[in-house]
Amino acid sequence: NAGVTQTPKFQVLKTGQSMTLQCAQDMNHEYMSWYRQDPGMGLRLIHYSVGAGITDQGEVPNGYNVSRSTTEDFPLRLLSAAPSQTSVYFCASSRTGVGYGYTFGSGTRLTVV
Amino acid sequence: ILNVEQSPQSLHVQEGDSTNFTCSFPSSNFYALHWYRWETAKSPEALFVMTLNGDEKKKGRISATLNTKEGYSYLYIKGSQPEDSATYLCAFRGGSGGSNYKLTFGKGTLLTVNP
Repeated sequence: NAGVTQTPKFQVLKTGQSMTLQCAQDMNHEYMSWYRQDPGMGLRLIHYSVGAGITDQGEVPNGYNVSRSTTEDFPLRLLSAAPSQTSVYFCASSRTGVGYGYTFGSGTRLTVV
Repeated sequence: ILNVEQSPQSLHVQEGDSTNFTCSFPSSNFYALHWYRWETAKSPEALFVMTLNGDEKKKGRISATLNTKEGYSYLYIKGSQPEDSATYLCAFRGGSGGSNYKLTFGKGTLLTVNP
């Protein structure tokens, strides 16, 4: 099993550009989420999904868009990149039952200049 | 925004020392408490998922306890080894119905074990 696969690993964007961070999992997990990690801030939830066709906002959703058309994929779209979106982004998935931990992807380091 | 606090922020110990860290979380609407281990340049890996007051979990030299009534969990490492050096994250899962899927993470405790 590949687990949770994130692409790309690194990306540099210019302010105002748009892009999509890809996340795919092959564990048939219902729950998928996106976090960003900034120095001194810990992991903060951007958006999450509990199944295909169902998404909801997390703590810091502004400037990001998501969709969940299949169980496997949960892409994160930056609509118009801003320097404040420079961060490391992690995708995570799990089963929705109470006893399951998250499986994290390897992260995408995004720099917006 | 839920408040999940971890202490200390960082810790340096010598190889062979035993150590422990604290995670504080809201004592209401508890659903689960997670612990993760996060090594530099890697992704967080799940250590424990704890759901019941009084839960104790153990994996090798690492163990954790849970007190949901007072809102805290302890992570213990017995006989620390250099390979235990990592950031240890706790995460609170609370709420009810459709709102209990989200994990709120603390900022972590950075453990450095000196040989």
